[in-house]
Amino acid sequence: AQSVTQLDSQVPVFEEAPVELRCNYSSSVSVYLFWYVQYPNQGLQLLLKYLSGSTLVKGINGFEAEFNKSQTSFHLRKPSVHISDTAEYFCAVSDQNYGQNFVFGPGTRLSVLP
Amino acid sequence: DGGITQSPKYLFRKEGQNVTLSCEQNLNHDAMYWYRQDPGQGLRLIYYSQIVNDFQKGDIAEGYSVSREKKESFPLTVTSAQKNPTAFYLCASIPRDRGSNQPQHFGDGTRLSIL
Repeated sequence: AQSVTQLDSQVPVFEEAPVELRCNYSSSVSVYLFWYVQYPNQGLQLLLKYLSGSTLVKGINGFEAEFNKSQTSFHLRKPSVHISDTAEYFCAVSDQNYGQNFVFGPGTRLSVLP
Repeated sequence: DGGITQSPKYLFRKEGQNVTLSCEQNLNHDAMYWYRQDPGQGLRLIYYSQIVNDFQKGDIAEGYSVSREKKESFPLTVTSAQKNPTAFYLCASIPRDRGSNQPQHFGDGTRLSIL
């Protein structure tokens, strides 16, 4: 079974500042990793995914994430945030052996302040 | 454009009443999912279905029921046995036949409240 931890439930940051949202996972098997964004009263939208290969993954809206197998982490970063990045961000994993079932972290609410 | 449509967007339930949330997809995806979202708890899996006429319980299936009579449709019924149904409900799907590395596509959710 897998589990996902997002240590920061809320992250306030000023506009144009960098941000890092942390994600750690636990799994006995190899996993695929995903970051989703959710705006108020909407569904989840895929930001980026790590399947294999380069550990630095670039996604939409200027976000990127780095997979660190030894630390079982998949932290999300953006060098300069905008007001429009204010949303909830979810890290998720699915196991490579049977990738139909996904486990989501509790989410991190990013608030970008003017 | 293809996507997942959830309806209604807002739904109110009276005590003792069953209500049904609709989820329709035109993505030709095989697998469909229902999640419940509560503040600070992320998404919890209620039911999922990988093929028509088959579905499995997730982590919190008690008080809920589903059907999968058509590939495109996966309705969720919140029964009167679910004593705390107030939550945001999300439907998702993925293409089963393209391997195991596909992300889920999500609908825009239904917010259910108790009257």
